[in-house]
Amino acid sequence: AQSVTQLDSQVPVFEEAPVELRCNYSSSVSVYLFWYVQYPNQGLQLLLKYLSGSTLVESINGFEAEFNKSQTSFHLRKPSVHISDTAEYFCAVSGSQGAQKLVFGQGTRLTINP
Amino acid sequence: EAGVTQFPSHSVIEKGQTVTLRCDPISGHDNLYWYRRVMGKEIKFLLHFVKESKQDESGMPNNRFLAERTGGTYSTLKVQPAELEDSGVYFCASSQAATQYFGPGTRLLVL
Repeated sequence: AQSVTQLDSQVPVFEEAPVELRCNYSSSVSVYLFWYVQYPNQGLQLLLKYLSGSTLVESINGFEAEFNKSQTSFHLRKPSVHISDTAEYFCAVSGSQGAQKLVFGQGTRLTINP
Repeated sequence: EAGVTQFPSHSVIEKGQTVTLRCDPISGHDNLYWYRRVMGKEIKFLLHFVKESKQDESGMPNNRFLAERTGGTYSTLKVQPAELEDSGVYFCASSQAATQYFGPGTRLLVL
């Protein structure tokens, strides 16, 4: 069984400031890791994922996350945020054997202030 | 390529009534999942279909919930009878492998 903890329920930052959204997981088996984003009044969109290979993964809109197996973390970072990044961000984990269910964290609401 | 679609987008019903939610997965995706987010809580897994078979239904809360995927294409999730605690957003996702793609969700309100 897996579990995910997102330590911050809300993160307010100023525009153009850096941000880190924290995610820690626990699992007795090897895992895949995901970040999903939900913009206001929209559905869940895949932001980035770690399946294998390089532990640093990037999204097309400037976010990156690093899989750290020893610390069981998959923190999401962006060096300079924009107003349009305002959204709720969800970290999720699944087992790595075939298609399996996702276990989600509680979500982090990122608010960007001008 | 069309994404995952869900119908309806919103549903308001009274306690005791029946509601049926529909999910159309991405064409060719054998895996279909249902999840639910109750207000203020995390998104929780309900069940997983592989084609028309239920692979994992460990997250179904009780026998008032019935999911089907006849023919291995679209899926329905019926709640009968609905209770107040069933209110929330119901998400459907599909995948061909590990990466799941989500629909916009159905927001259900039981009064």
